[in-house]
Amino acid sequence: AQSVAQPEDQVNVAEGNPLTVKCTYSVSGNPYLFWYVQYPNRGLQFLLKYITGDNLVKGSYGFEAEFNKSQTSFHLKKPSALVSDSALYFCAVRRNAGNMLTFGGGTRLMVKP
Amino acid sequence: DTGVSQDPRHKITKRGQNVTFRCDPISEHNRLYWYRQTLGQGPEFLTYFQNEAQLEKSRLLSDRFSAERPKGSFSTLEIQRTEQGDSAMYLCASSPEEGAAFFGQGTRLTVV
Repeated sequence: AQSVAQPEDQVNVAEGNPLTVKCTYSVSGNPYLFWYVQYPNRGLQFLLKYITGDNLVKGSYGFEAEFNKSQTSFHLKKPSALVSDSALYFCAVRRNAGNMLTFGGGTRLMVKP
Repeated sequence: DTGVSQDPRHKITKRGQNVTFRCDPISEHNRLYWYRQTLGQGPEFLTYFQNEAQLEKSRLLSDRFSAERPKGSFSTLEIQRTEQGDSAMYLCASSPEEGAAFFGQGTRLTVV
């Protein structure tokens, strides 16, 4: 079985400050890891992925994530938050040879001016 | 628009009626997924196609749910004898073999 944990229901950060949204995973085999963002009444938008290679991956809108195999984590980061980053963020995992993408419960990011 | 397209965007139906949703994936993607999402929750996997073959189904998918992907292009998700508990956002996604899944805007189903 594979699973994703997002331990924080909500993260609050002031505009201009760095942000981190946490994600840990459990999967057999090598993981494929993804971050998605969802705005109200919209579908999920792909931000970034880790499949292989460098542990630090860069994605859309200035977001990046660090894959840590020993801690089974894939935290989402951004050096300077914008109010427009406020949304629901989902981490997801898939086995490299698997089909099913499993999502975490989501973390609401609130960026205050 | 070359993204994943879902139709309709909204559907209100009476309990006991059948509904069908359509998904048009990104044309070069051979994988297609259906997910269900309730308010404030993460998407839950329902089923997966590789080309026209349905390779995986969640235990969440009761006998009232059926999905098809004829000719490996668009897909339909049908719910028979809808129940109030079926009310949710139904999301479709497609992906290439190794890449990320791209999602449509979803179909919001309300069963009254």
